[in-house]
Amino acid sequence: EVQLVESGGGLVNPGGSLRLSCEASGFIFNNAWMTWVRQAPGKGLEWVGRIKSKADGGTTDYAAPVKGRFTISRDDSTNTVYLQMNSLKTEDTAVYYCSKLAFYHLERWGQGTLVTVSS
Amino acid sequence: EIVLTQSPGTLSLSPGERATLSCRASQSINSNYLAWYQQKPGQAPRLLIFGASSRATGIPDRFSGSGSGTDFSLTIRRLEPEDFAVYYCQQCGSSPLYTFGQGTKLEIK
Repeated sequence: EVQLVESGGGLVNPGGSLRLSCEASGFIFNNAWMTWVRQAPGKGLEWVGRIKSKADGGTTDYAAPVKGRFTISRDDSTNTVYLQMNSLKTEDTAVYYCSKLAFYHLERWGQGTLVTVSS
Repeated sequence: EIVLTQSPGTLSLSPGERATLSCRASQSINSNYLAWYQQKPGQAPRLLIFGASSRATGIPDRFSGSGSGTDFSLTIRRLEPEDFAVYYCQQCGSSPLYTFGQGTKLEIK
């Protein structure tokens, strides 16, 4: 069974940093493209970024609001994908979901982790 | 950037009724790139439909997707109590790579 478990969320001051983790199981992780999506309280879904498998180059892409501040990486030895968030703003407050990509859609989702940016 | 507009914003129906949710793209998209998700309160989204009309694993056949070009729809044939949730359409494009509609809330009448 595919499982994605996010962790690392919490309260952080504006301008601060936080690293989220997503541990995967139940599939061949090193072949998978992974993505992060966020959802502000009471709002819709917003794509954050994507990382390809190493076999496909391991490259990353980001949404404009987070480009230059957020970095996605992966550790295939531990089946984990990370989201490093720097220079956090209050508008980054959201539940962050990691998801396994399948072609053009998001096949499986984790349960999410809440990030609150506030002083 | 392709914008997805979902309608209606809220749909009030009774169990047993048929629901039709719409997703309109600001420009024509490849049907392979259109998906639908269901999200219940406090839960992560769940994939329902991909490639505009293919059901994901384990999704009941009362859910169906259709459409092409700029107009897509999700139909739920006979609403069950567990179907009342928020539904999102999503497309895969160029920049940004993935965009979502604003969602349709399906509520019990």
